[in-house]
Amino acid sequence: DQQVKQNSPSLSVQEGRISILNCDYTNSMFDYFLWYKKYPAEGPTFLISISSIKDKNEDGRFTVFLNKSAKHLSLHIVPSQPGDSAVYFCAASSSGNTGKLIFGQGTTLQVKP
Amino acid sequence: EAQVTQNPRYLITVTGKKLTVTCSQNMNHEYMSWYRQDPGLGLRQIYYSMNVEVTDKGDVPEGYKVSRKEKRNFPLILESPSPNQTSLYFCASSPGAGTEAFFGQGTRLTVV
Repeated sequence: DQQVKQNSPSLSVQEGRISILNCDYTNSMFDYFLWYKKYPAEGPTFLISISSIKDKNEDGRFTVFLNKSAKHLSLHIVPSQPGDSAVYFCAASSSGNTGKLIFGQGTTLQVKP
Repeated sequence: EAQVTQNPRYLITVTGKKLTVTCSQNMNHEYMSWYRQDPGLGLRQIYYSMNVEVTDKGDVPEGYKVSRKEKRNFPLILESPSPNQTSLYFCASSPGAGTEAFFGQGTRLTVV
């Protein structure tokens, strides 16, 4: 039972264009959402997060949007750069459930020069 | 530098030979956890600890043990490894449950 799903295993975009990574969840108790970025041979690193009381959070080139009614969040990267090429994981947690992070399967982003 | 350090980075072992993967964090975080990453499945939590001497099972705890005798250390123990435990393992720590987690660099384990 995959509570957090990233249905696109991979995404390829041109440098300078927008990258949109999507994530769906099923558990309405989730109240905090995070995006992680992972390079090969490294651990995941935190990128950006959003609380369920917000619908948008922005940090430089990265913006996360949350649509609670659709149980959907997305990560926008504008403009995309070759150094953004990595695996992106979305994760969710519920304050009432030991705080465990539930991860999606990951999406591999390739940004072509 | 704030970091989570896990060792070894790579390990090949044989079925049934007990092994320990160490994890240490220098951020005074209370919450620590272990994940395994497998293709198509993302990261799944094995065990977590909310504080010293407090540990509990995650989603895939079978075949693993942990201990939390000190705040900074959270070793993962495989008493009798089997080939289905071949995976990429990550230790993580965070200031509190469900908050931003800091991950170690990973341990790639192969059990033959």
